[in-house]
Amino acid sequence: EVQLVESGGGLVQPGRSLRLSCAASGFTFDDYAMHWVRQAPGKGLEWVSGISWNSGSIGYADSVKGRFTISRDNAKNSLYLQMNSLRAEDTALYYCVRRYCSGDNCYSDYWGQGTLVTVSS
Amino acid sequence: EIVLTQSPGTLSLSPGERATLSCRASQSVSSSYLVWYQQKPGQAPGLLIYGASTRATGIPDRFSGSGSGTDFTLTISRLEPEDFAVYYCQQYTSSPYTFGQGTKLEIK
Repeated sequence: EVQLVESGGGLVQPGRSLRLSCAASGFTFDDYAMHWVRQAPGKGLEWVSGISWNSGSIGYADSVKGRFTISRDNAKNSLYLQMNSLRAEDTALYYCVRRYCSGDNCYSDYWGQGTLVTVSS
Repeated sequence: EIVLTQSPGTLSLSPGERATLSCRASQSVSSSYLVWYQQKPGQAPGLLIYGASTRATGIPDRFSGSGSGTDFTLTISRLEPEDFAVYYCQQYTSSPYTFGQGTKLEIK
């Protein structure tokens, strides 16, 4: 059974840093690209960042570029998101998401339950 | 950045009715990379439709997707009580892999 378990969320002051982790199990982790998607309270989904299976391709939303860094450790079946210079608008539930690509199709097929990040003084 | 605009923002219908949800892109999106998700309160989103028209495993055939280029549609032929939720489209054509703002399907 595929499982994605996020951790590392919490209450943090504006300008500070936080590192999120996602522990993956039930599949061959280094076969898949992985993404972070967030959802502010009562709002819609926002794609944050993605990383290819070998870390060779990385992308960020404009809203986090230069402040967030995605990484992965395939030996540990883990995905990370280093978040620096946090702002109030970064307050959200952060989901770890597996991206599946086959033939001509790509989509997010498994989502974790999320870890809540609250940025407030 | 490709902007996805979903309409309507809220759709009020009764069980048994037909629902039509729209997702319009600011530039052409490959049909192969247009995805629909369903999110119920307190839950993570779930995959509904990929490749614009292919139902994910276990999704009932009352759900169908169509469209190409910049205009895509999710149709629910006969609404069941469990279908009332928020629906999002997402494009994987180019990074950033943007989502639409969502359509809330509510019981009338």
